[in-house]
Amino acid sequence: RKEVEQDPGPFNVPEGATVAFNCTYSNSASQSFFWYRQDCRKEPKLLMSVYSSGNEDGRFTAQLNRASQYISLLIRDSKLSDSATYLCVVNYNQGGKLIFGQGTELSVKP
Amino acid sequence: GAGVSQTPSNKVTEKGKYVELRCDPISGHTALYWYRQSLGQGPEFLIYFQGTGAADDSGLPNDRFFAVRPEGSVSTLKIQRTERGDSAVYLCASSSTSGIAETQYFGPGTRLLVL
Repeated sequence: RKEVEQDPGPFNVPEGATVAFNCTYSNSASQSFFWYRQDCRKEPKLLMSVYSSGNEDGRFTAQLNRASQYISLLIRDSKLSDSATYLCVVNYNQGGKLIFGQGTELSVKP
Repeated sequence: GAGVSQTPSNKVTEKGKYVELRCDPISGHTALYWYRQSLGQGPEFLIYFQGTGAADDSGLPNDRFFAVRPEGSVSTLKIQRTERGDSAVYLCASSSTSGIAETQYFGPGTRLLVL
């Protein structure tokens, strides 16, 4: 079983739609959680950290359920520019070793 | 300011050859990480440095892979006797420290193709 699992998609949605991505992680010792965004043939970039109380950044909302070892990302009012791969990421040791899911591809259509 | 830079951007080599991939982190960042990304997969951790020392090399797949960071800045990932399965994008990242919640900034990667 992979340490971080995501639905690979692709998710094809129209502009303005709301889309949700889910992610599960296997190591209950995981301490830090992130969503990264990766455009085609580009490097990953931090989208947002995920906090236990849930957090929002504009159209993006991230939730964490430690009991279920589940992380989610909600994107409201999708834009064409949101088209990318979204990577669920966890960190469970004291250093900076990040464990990535395989990514969920999003395509927003006009 | 300047981000993480990696050279070369693309490398084509033949099976059995030796390659070196270079990473220049953001100035002042003490932590440096190497990841490998295969097509359709997320990045996979290889090794990370805190300063000059390798703090965690648990992701290096075998002894053909080796990395150094002799002066605590630039790092080189070295692959001996390359195999076709080594073909991937090799990503470098840096962060100001190696704290568990520190943001890692990635470079554009080196695309390695082993023929």
